[in-house]
Amino acid sequence: EVQLVQSGAEVKKPGESLKISCKGSGYSFTSYWIGWVRQMPGKGLEWMGIIYPGDSDTRYSPSFQGQVTISADKSISTAYLQWSSLKASDTAMYYCARQVSPALNAFDIWGQGTMVTVSS
Amino acid sequence: SSELTQDPAVSVALGQTVRITCQGDSLRSYYASWYQQKPGQAPVLVIYGKNNRPSGIPDRFSGSSSGNTASLTITGAQAEDEADYYCNSRDSSGNHLGVFGGGTKLTVL
Repeated sequence: EVQLVQSGAEVKKPGESLKISCKGSGYSFTSYWIGWVRQMPGKGLEWMGIIYPGDSDTRYSPSFQGQVTISADKSISTAYLQWSSLKASDTAMYYCARQVSPALNAFDIWGQGTMVTVSS
Repeated sequence: SSELTQDPAVSVALGQTVRITCQGDSLRSYYASWYQQKPGQAPVLVIYGKNNRPSGIPDRFSGSSSGNTASLTITGAQAEDEADYYCNSRDSSGNHLGVFGGGTKLTVL
């Protein structure tokens, strides 16, 4: 079964760092781009960025450039999303998703989501 | 522009046909994909490319596009189709970036 399994919910304080993960299985992890999507409470989906685990080519939406870091470890089929200094406004659900192909820009497999809560 | 615009809310009577639209300049060059999201769940891809349905998606879901507008049509809406629907496409930068529409809340009456 093709799936993406994300790490569990996190509760952090402002200023703390965090790295959440997304592990792929059931397919060739290095052959598909993996994207990250933010959903703030009660709001819509936001396209954050994308990585190709085969060579770690990474692209960021302008809104998220410099705010987060996307990385991948192909040896363990895992992509990551990290923050160096969290803010309360980072409180959201974060999804990873597999992209069908760059030309189609469609995400066919989604992780279950990781809820990040940042509160003092 | 890299924005995609959707109507915030649409309603449809049970068994009738509804069209959900998505407008944006990038849609003149790139296909839209469509996602269904129910409360507390991850999004699910329902349409991608010209008009492709992933395995398991009912054939009452279809997609089309004209000019700067992409549409998701549900023919014979069911109660279980009540959900939020999001469009997604490439942005216009050419840098393999994407963008989502603001979402449409579909109510089945």
